[in-house]
Amino acid sequence: AQSVTQLDSQVPVFEEAPVELRCNYSSSVSVYLFWYVQYPNQGLQLLLKYLSGSTLVESINGFEAEFNKSQTSFHLRKPSVHISDTAEYFCAVSGMNTGFQKLVFGTGTRLLVSP
Amino acid sequence: ETGVTQSPTHLIKTRGQQVTLRCSSQSGHNTVSWYQQALGQGPQFIFQYYREEENGRGNFPPRFSGLQFPNYSSELNVNALELDDSALYLCASSPRGGTGELFFGEGSRLTVL
Repeated sequence: AQSVTQLDSQVPVFEEAPVELRCNYSSSVSVYLFWYVQYPNQGLQLLLKYLSGSTLVESINGFEAEFNKSQTSFHLRKPSVHISDTAEYFCAVSGMNTGFQKLVFGTGTRLLVSP
Repeated sequence: ETGVTQSPTHLIKTRGQQVTLRCSSQSGHNTVSWYQQALGQGPQFIFQYYREEENGRGNFPPRFSGLQFPNYSSELNVNALELDDSALYLCASSPRGGTGELFFGEGSRLTVL
């Protein structure tokens, strides 16, 4: 079984400042890792994913996350945030034995970007 | 390309009633999963359907059931509603095998009074 911990329920930050959203996971098997973003009154959208290969993955809108197997972490970072990045961010994991469909999500981190 | 659509968007039921939520998967996607997102929580996996059969289930009681139709659309049925069933119900589709991405609908918000 897998579990995900997102320690920060809310992260306030000023526009153009850097941000890191933390995610730690536990699993008895190898995993796939994901970050999803949820804007108000919308469904979830995939932000980025780690399946294999390079441990540093990037999104098209400037976010990046690094898979650290020894620390069982997959923290999300952005060097300079925009007001439009205000949203709920969910880290998720699935076991390689269960495939992509059964995701285990963390409780989410609300990113609040202010001017 | 039409994305994942869910209906209804909002509904209110009373304890003990039954509810059916519907989902049309994205074109070309043959696998559908359902998730429950309680207020302030992350989504929780309910079950997955592939080729009209349940193909994986989370920790939900049997009063949560589903169907998948030949056109890959899906229904989630919940019987004997309880207050704790109040949540946003999310449907997600993906192609079998896939690339690791689930495509989510905007959800059906169920309130049980």
